[in-house]
Amino acid sequence: DAGVIQSPRHEVTEMGQEVTLRCKPISGHNSLFWYRQTMMRGLELLIYFNNNVPIDDSGMPEDRFSAKMPNASFSTLKIQPSEPRDSAVYFCASSLKDGIRNTEAFFGQGTRLTVV
Amino acid sequence: GIQVEQSPPDLILQEGANSTLRCNFSDSVNNLQWFHQNPWGQLINLFYIPSGTKQNGRLSATTVATERYSLLYISSSQTTDSGVYFCATQDSGWFSGGYNKLIFGAGTRLAVHP
Repeated sequence: DAGVIQSPRHEVTEMGQEVTLRCKPISGHNSLFWYRQTMMRGLELLIYFNNNVPIDDSGMPEDRFSAKMPNASFSTLKIQPSEPRDSAVYFCASSLKDGIRNTEAFFGQGTRLTVV
Repeated sequence: GIQVEQSPPDLILQEGANSTLRCNFSDSVNNLQWFHQNPWGQLINLFYIPSGTKQNGRLSATTVATERYSLLYISSSQTTDSGVYFCATQDSGWFSGGYNKLIFGAGTRLAVHP
C-alpha cells in the first residue's frame, strides 16, 4: 500500500479564497483523522470519521471549516473563506478500528497551507 | 478528555549518548503510539505499544498502562535522530462514548550534535 496520500503538498492562497485539502486513507482502514499543526498549538485533532461517518468534530475551529468523507477511500477538508490564521500544516491519518479501539494510525505527508 | 504530558520538552545530546523520553497520560488508555517528526515534517511511526516493551534497533519503548506512563529509549544517538518525538494515545472510550480519539502530547524536541 502507498500509505496515506494527501494533496496538495503545498498550497498558497489569498485570504478569502476557498481551499480544499484531500486525503486518501490506507485501503482497509475505517477510521480517518484530520489534524492541524502549528507552532503555538501543536497537533490538534480537527475531526474524526469512522466508517465514513463524522464521529467527533469538536476540534473544528469554526463554521468556515467543513469536512466530508463520501466513501471509504476519500476525504476532503474545506476552508471557506480562508484567513491568514488558518496557515498551518494539515495532516490526515488513518487506522483500523478493531472492536473497541483504533489500532496503529499512519499519517500522510501533510499539506502546508499558507494564506496571504 | 485525556491529558498527555511529555518530558523533557527539549533535549540536547552529543552523538553517542543515550536518552529516555517520558509520556504520562491522565486516564486509562487502550492505545499508545510513539512518532518521530523529522526536520522535513514527516510523522514517522516508531512504536505501537499499548502495553509491554518493544525494541527496534537502537530504539525501545515500554508502556506501563496501569501506572499511566510510557518511556522511549534512544541508545547511541545519531544526528539523524534529531527532530520532535511525540506520544499519542486514545482513552479507553467509556466516558468518551467510545470515540477513541488519538490525542497527542506536546512533544520532546531532540537535537543531537556531532
